[in-house]
Amino acid sequence: QKEVEQDPGPLSVPEGAIVSLNCTYSNSAFQYFMWYRQYSRKGPELLMYTYSSGNKEDGRFTAQVDKSSKYISLFIRDSQPSDSATYLCARGRAGGTSYGKLTFGQGTILTVHP
Amino acid sequence: DVKVTQSSRYLVKRTGEKVFLECVQDMDHENMFWYRQDPGLGLRLIYFSYDVKMKEKGDIPEGYSVSREKKERFSLILESASTNQTSMYLCASCIAGPSPLHFGNGTRLTVT
Repeated sequence: QKEVEQDPGPLSVPEGAIVSLNCTYSNSAFQYFMWYRQYSRKGPELLMYTYSSGNKEDGRFTAQVDKSSKYISLFIRDSQPSDSATYLCARGRAGGTSYGKLTFGQGTILTVHP
Repeated sequence: DVKVTQSSRYLVKRTGEKVFLECVQDMDHENMFWYRQDPGLGLRLIYFSYDVKMKEKGDIPEGYSVSREKKERFSLILESASTNQTSMYLCASCIAGPSPLHFGNGTRLTVT
């Protein structure tokens, strides 16, 4: 089993829809989670990161972590065509030189059509 | 804003060539990383460095080596390029501790 599993999609939604992107993970050591957005021919850029269970909001984006079920989600409200990108979830493990060594999901390709 | 700069956007090399990919960051970050990104496989860690002259293997180090002689610069070396090393290579950096990675825009390497 992969350490971080993500449905690759592709996912296509109309403008204004609420988008839900999900990942599961298999390790329970102390860890932290991130969501990255990657536009075509660009490097990933950080959207959200969190260390704890619960929700974290930033504008139209909400990251949710459920450590009991090992599930992380990203919700995008009022989706826009400019949100069309690949979304990557990532899990980092804490401790020693492990900091920063992220394990990524495969990425979900999202298209928001006008 | 953190800037991670990869020296080449596109490279085409022949099988057996020695290839150098260069990465520079401007934020005095301790940690630097090389990932490769392939369709269906996501990002996989090749090597990382948590200090000058220090390095650790990631998940797929075979066929690669790295060099970090200065804090701001991290080089990935393909000793003898092979066609299965055709990929997008991403460099990243971060401060020490649990912090997000900042990525460059990648180098798309094609080995023919």
